[in-house]
Amino acid sequence: DQQVKQNSPSLSVQEGRISILNCDYTNSMFDYFLWYKKYPAEGPTFLISISSIKDKNEDGRFTVFLNKSAKHLSLHIVPSQPGDSAVYFCAAKPNSGYALNFGKGTSLLVTP
Amino acid sequence: ETGVTQTPRHLVMGMTNKKSLKCEQHLGHNAMYWYKQSAKKPLELMFVYNFKEQTENNSVPSRFSPECPNSSHLFLHLHTLQPEDSALYLCASSQPSGLATGELFFGEGSRLTVL
Repeated sequence: DQQVKQNSPSLSVQEGRISILNCDYTNSMFDYFLWYKKYPAEGPTFLISISSIKDKNEDGRFTVFLNKSAKHLSLHIVPSQPGDSAVYFCAAKPNSGYALNFGKGTSLLVTP
Repeated sequence: ETGVTQTPRHLVMGMTNKKSLKCEQHLGHNAMYWYKQSAKKPLELMFVYNFKEQTENNSVPSRFSPECPNSSHLFLHLHTLQPEDSALYLCASSQPSGLATGELFFGEGSRLTVL
């Protein structure tokens, strides 16, 4: 049973605009939430994370928001750039064990 | 060489073959992981090693046998696999803190096809 879901398989955004990628989860025992980015023929690369005790974390153009009551996570990219075109995976880490629970990914295309 | 390197990048094997996937990390990390990504499924943890000791086996069938001879190298030995084992196998490493936070460094993956 999938505990982390990314319901949008793809997203297209114009360069300079905001990209918003969404993620929903079901397990209240997750204590870290992460976003990974993957280019074709490469492995996933860690992008940004947030602890369950926070509701926002910002790193340059990337901001992650956590809404625990809604069990919802989002990644905002502002402004979007063509180099941001990639597959973005949402992941969550439970407070016991080492397994990251991944979503299936959202493919972002940023058009010039 | 930097980062996490996986070899081979592509592997085709029959169900009766024995093969191995190799992972090497040059980041000075002490934790190493095997993840599996099957078609249309999310990444799924297989094994975790911390300081060469296996700390997690995510109910993986015994036809997959991991080996971690030191903190820089991780192998996945494959024996009598099934066609449904065809997948992308990703190795990752992390600092000790990554075991708690989930911040991993992934290799490029080994694409396995079982005929």
